[in-house]
This record gives sequence, structure tokens and C-alpha cells, in this order.
Amino acid sequence: QKEVEQDPGPLSVPEGAIVSLNCTYSNSAFQYFMWYRQYSRKGPELLMYTYSSGNKEDGRFTAQVDKSSKYISLFIRDSQPSDSATYLCAMSSNAGKSTFGDGTTLTVKP
Amino acid sequence: GAVVSQHPSRVICKSGTSVKIECRSLDFQATTMFWYRQFPKQSLMLMATSNEGSKATYEQGVEKDKFLINHASLTLSTLTVTSAHPEDSSFYICSAQQEEVAQYFGPGTRLTVL
Repeated sequence: QKEVEQDPGPLSVPEGAIVSLNCTYSNSAFQYFMWYRQYSRKGPELLMYTYSSGNKEDGRFTAQVDKSSKYISLFIRDSQPSDSATYLCAMSSNAGKSTFGDGTTLTVKP
Repeated sequence: GAVVSQHPSRVICKSGTSVKIECRSLDFQATTMFWYRQFPKQSLMLMATSNEGSKATYEQGVEKDKFLINHASLTLSTLTVTSAHPEDSSFYICSAQQEEVAQYFGPGTRLTVL
């Protein structure tokens, strides 16, 4: 069993929809949770970075962490075609290497 | 802030030659840098972790003599693919980390070995 499981997708939504991207994990030592966005043939871009449980909002993006359920989510409001990309969750127990999910590919159709 | 560059962005080489890829953190000092490999439509595969001034730590299955990593300063790490073969063709991505946990990724280098 992988330490981090990510909803595989692909996910296709109409423009303006609310998107929910999810990951579960098994390692209770994880305390740092990240979401990255990767466009085709580019390096991943850090979107959100949270520590421990709770919500964090940045513009149209909200990251949610539920450590009791070992479940994290990224919500995208008012999705735009430019949000079409692969989204990777990542988590770490300390300032070392992160464990990444396999990614969910999102397509937002105009 | 937190910009990481990679050079070259694309390289094509003949089988048997060596290729060097540079990774630089442009506006911060990176205590740790990571090297990843990514195949089409697959996730990131961590190859090695490098800390400035010390030997890199390679992941299981990654040949350290094949993929030489040098972390000469707090802003520069290099990956050299030695005696490259067609199976080494891939997308190589570096990332840099400060004291916090989040990694900042470079734009990637596409290597094609003929």
C-alpha cells in the first residue's frame, strides 16, 4: 500500500464549477501538506502549503487537512480553463523529502 | 520569490556521451536540493537528495555512478548522466528547499538520448 493515495482522475468539469481534489495517507507522522500544480512539460508549481489540520485559503484555492481522518483536499472555486493541469499532493513529516501522490489530471472545459 | 532555474531545458545527445544538468536557486539559499525523474503521464520519481557540501543520498535502485550529483554551493546543484543510453531519456526535474518543508521546482530538462 502506498503511503499517499490520490484520486486518479482524470477529472473533467465545466468552467465555473467547484473542483475537489483529494488525497489520503497512512503515515500519521506527516505534518506538512502541500499541493502542487503541474502543466504539461513543466516543473510543478507550489500552490498551497499547510501545517497540521485546518483550512487555508488563497484566492480561489482552499486547502483542507483532516489529520484525524488522514485526508486532505484542495478545492478550486470558479474553475477556469487555465486551471487545467495535473495536481499533485505531497506531504512530509519533517524538513526532509516529501512523499508525493501520483497526481490528478484536471480539464476545465470552456 | 523562490525561483529555481534549470539548464538546459532540452538536450539531445548521442548514446555513450555524458550530459550535465544544472539546477540553481535564484533568490534563496537552498539547504537541500532534490533530483527527480518523470516519465510521461507518471508522477515524480525521487532519484536523490543532495545537501551542500556532502554526498548525495540516492534512492533505492538509482545508480550513483550513473547519475553523479554535485552540490557545490547553497545555490547550485548539478546532475551528470554519465554514458547516457536511450533508456535514460526522460524529463529530469530538480527542486530546492529552504528551512521549511515545501520544495520549489525548476522547469525541468528534457533529455533525449539517440
